[in-house]
Amino acid sequence: GAGVSQTPSNKVTEKGKYVELRCDPISGHTALYWYRQSLGQGPEFLIYFQGTGAADDSGLPNDRFFAVRPEGSVSTLKIQRTERGDSAVYLCASSLGGAGARGEAFFGQGTRLTVV
Amino acid sequence: LAKTTQPISMDSYEGQEVNITCSHNNIATNDYITWYQQFPSQGPRFIIQGYKTKVTNEVASLFIPADRKSSTLSLPRVSLSDTAVYYCLVGSMDSSYKLIFGSGTRLLVRP
Repeated sequence: GAGVSQTPSNKVTEKGKYVELRCDPISGHTALYWYRQSLGQGPEFLIYFQGTGAADDSGLPNDRFFAVRPEGSVSTLKIQRTERGDSAVYLCASSLGGAGARGEAFFGQGTRLTVV
Repeated sequence: LAKTTQPISMDSYEGQEVNITCSHNNIATNDYITWYQQFPSQGPRFIIQGYKTKVTNEVASLFIPADRKSSTLSLPRVSLSDTAVYYCLVGSMDSSYKLIFGSGTRLLVRP
C-alpha cells in the first residue's frame, strides 16, 4: 500500500486479556515507531525499531508491553493482561531513516484500543 | 531533548494568516525543528522542517530567528480544513529517531 497500515482499526477487549496490534510500514522504510495517544494529549513514544532490532524501547510503560519486527517490515505490538488504563489510540509510524533531524515520519490511522 | 512550549489553543477566521510560535530555549546545535499537523481520528502528518532562517513549502512557512530559541509556523489564508492540532518538535541528529510530541496547539478556524 501507499501508506502505513494498522490493523485492526478498533479493538475492544476485556480486562486481563491479551491483544496484538499490527503495523505494516511503507515499503523500504527501515525505521518503525510505536506511539500511544490518549484523548487530548500528544502522541507518547513507546518503541523504535531500526530494521529488525528495537533500538530504543525506553517508552514501553512496563513489561506487559512488547513489540517485535522479525523480518524488518511488519511489526506487532503485544499487550498482556490488559488494564483499563491501556485504553488509547496506538499509532505506528515509519520513515526511511531517523525522522527527528532528517525527513519525515509517516503515521498510520491508528488502532483504537478499548479495555472494558 | 529540547523541551518545547507552544500555546494550548488559537482561534482564527477563514482567509486569515495564522502564526503559531513555539519556544525551545535549550535547543542544541544539532537540533532541527519540525512541525506536524493532526486531524481528529488520524495520525500526525509532517508539515515542515527547518534548521535556521526561513523555510517555505506549498503548505506553510517556518521562521527561525538567529538564536533558534523559538520558531514560528505560518499558515497563509487558512480555511476551515486547517482546523487541527499542530505540534512543534525538536530533534537532534544524535537522537533523530525519536520524535517527542508535546500537547500541541489546537487551532480552530471559524467561518
